[in-house]
Amino acid sequence: SQTIHQWPATLVQPVGSPLSLECTVEGTSNPNLYWYRQAAGRGLQLLFYSVGIGQISSEVPQNLSASRPQDRQFILSSKKLLLSDSGFYLCAWSVSRGRGHRILQKLFFGSGTQLSVL
Amino acid sequence: EDKVVQSPLSLVVHEGDTVTLNCSYEVTNFRSLLWYKQEKKAPTFLFMLTSSGIEKKSGRLSSILDKKELFSILNITATQTGDSAIYLCAVHSNSGYALNFGKGTSLLVTP
Repeated sequence: SQTIHQWPATLVQPVGSPLSLECTVEGTSNPNLYWYRQAAGRGLQLLFYSVGIGQISSEVPQNLSASRPQDRQFILSSKKLLLSDSGFYLCAWSVSRGRGHRILQKLFFGSGTQLSVL
Repeated sequence: EDKVVQSPLSLVVHEGDTVTLNCSYEVTNFRSLLWYKQEKKAPTFLFMLTSSGIEKKSGRLSSILDKKELFSILNITATQTGDSAIYLCAVHSNSGYALNFGKGTSLLVTP
């Protein structure tokens, strides 16, 4: 069966420090991978998605970047954190199907990282 | 721009009550609507709806989609304290790879 691992669970970082959040998926190959951020009162906001190794699409301009060095590994990074980067970050995966990977069945989420930038 | 609006934003009920959560959407090239339950951390999948008028049911939870009026409802009957959670509605369209989420409805069931 498929599992998704995300770490760390909580993180407190000073403003201006770097960030690296990691997510790995097991039990499936060539998944679509996603990073979402959940801020209080704002719902889940899509940050990045990837349909393959080295293929990253950004949905919103921001202080963050993402990378996919391996098929089942997705990393969220920042060189210098801002206060506004605080939030709950969720990694997710979906089965990749259909032409152009556009047929989405459903998303499976990791357990999230609560990031506090102070 | 695609839009997903959930109502109410929060709700407090007593155990045994029946609740109805609403989700309306405006998207181009609609493909599916999904409901998730988020208790503490990871949202967990409840339902995926693609066709109008076909009720999906799982225990005390049920959901239905109206593609003409562009909304979905999630019903929970005989609520229990374990139903307390944030319920998220999300829509997938042909124009994007990912789900577009609403802000969620925070449900609290009191004993």
